[in-house]
Amino acid sequence: KQEVTQIPAALSVPEGENLVLNCSFTDSAIYNLQWFRQDPGKGLTSLLLIQSSQREQTSGRLNASLDKSSGRSTLYIAASQPGDSATYLCALRRMDSSYKLIFGSGTRLLVRP
Amino acid sequence: DGGITQSPKYLFRKEGQNVTLSCEQNLNHDAMYWYRQDPGQGLRLIYYSQIVNDFQKGDIAEGYSVSREKKESFPLTVTSAQKNPTAFYLCASSPSVDTQYFGPGTRLTVL
Repeated sequence: KQEVTQIPAALSVPEGENLVLNCSFTDSAIYNLQWFRQDPGKGLTSLLLIQSSQREQTSGRLNASLDKSSGRSTLYIAASQPGDSATYLCALRRMDSSYKLIFGSGTRLLVRP
Repeated sequence: DGGITQSPKYLFRKEGQNVTLSCEQNLNHDAMYWYRQDPGQGLRLIYYSQIVNDFQKGDIAEGYSVSREKKESFPLTVTSAQKNPTAFYLCASSPSVDTQYFGPGTRLTVL
């Protein structure tokens, strides 16, 4: 059974710091992996999607990497801002069930001014 | 405006009552999904539909039912058989397997 784990559950950093959020998974037979942002009481916003054949994707200050052999993905946030405060969730699609997303429990990020 | 709408934003249910959560999309997406989110946890799939008049159970379908009579609409009914329905419910749609677009959510509370 595919499991997705995100550690730490919560993270607090001062403004301007570069930071890395981690996502690990147990089965390397994935179709793709996606990072989402969720603000309190709101829906999810897609940040980056990495296909199985890719190693990384970048959008502005965000960079996501994927290493299937080690079962890890990281989301790198450069020069963090208070507006980055939110919960970040990773989710993946398995090769044999590509319509379904399997979610981690998220990392709650607080960027202090 | 294109997007996914969910209503109501907040819903209160008495014990033994069935309630229906609405999800509508005007993105012309074939696939639609229902997820449940509990505090401090990720999303778990309740039901999904890849095409009109067809749907499949997800990981936690017990106590829930859905219908997909129109492409734009995928309502979720929380039945009295669901013993712990208090949660945040999220609807999503997708044109393909590449990404899913999420609605704003409905928070259901059992009184």
